[in-house]
Amino acid sequence: GAVVSQHPSRVICKSGTSVKIECRSLDFQATTMFWYRQFPKQSLMLMATSNEGSKATYEQGVEKDKFLINHASLTLSTLTVTSAHPEDSSFYICSATQRYNEQFFGPGTRLTVL
Amino acid sequence: KQEVTQIPAALSVPEGENLVLNCSFTDSAIYNLQWFRQDPGKGLTSLLLIQSSQREQTSGRLNASLDKSSGRSTLYIAASQPGDSATYLCAVEYGNKLVFGAGTILRVKS
Repeated sequence: GAVVSQHPSRVICKSGTSVKIECRSLDFQATTMFWYRQFPKQSLMLMATSNEGSKATYEQGVEKDKFLINHASLTLSTLTVTSAHPEDSSFYICSATQRYNEQFFGPGTRLTVL
Repeated sequence: KQEVTQIPAALSVPEGENLVLNCSFTDSAIYNLQWFRQDPGKGLTSLLLIQSSQREQTSGRLNASLDKSSGRSTLYIAASQPGDSATYLCAVEYGNKLVFGAGTILRVKS
């Protein structure tokens, strides 16, 4: 149980385009989902916390207009990187939790912006 | 500021050796502490979760300890195997947020 999926697993896009990443909890209802970013040889950094049906809470230094988060249902959250640039290239990982219990992590999405 | 530090940054050992990975955290008001494994280009696999009221957790060849007062945790891996090669991440939960260390890259040589 407690499986979280992400799609796509890998995406390459041109600079200036927008990219949407999906995070799904497959076998439980996730009241809260988290989005992390991991640069090469660095640790995971929390970007934002999203609760189903409400606006996401962004960490300091993360631009909410650039990283749009939607958590429209209890099993799906999306992260859209708008007007992506090469510096946005990173490994994006989501996690999901049910009522602030243990977080279960997705497999990650590798974004490369050319 | 809540910071998590992991030492060493990288470790290379021969197969069969017992080893210890270290994690320290600056704010001792933790909810729990978790150890993860991350293979290259992959997501996270949870290894052990220690609640703030616990001192240690064991799973197979893995044993994790927690000393809240000193802000330290250790992950002990017994009889290491090449398949244990990965990055090991320590994460401390404060409220509903996880703060991660930078990880220890482990290589077990056959």
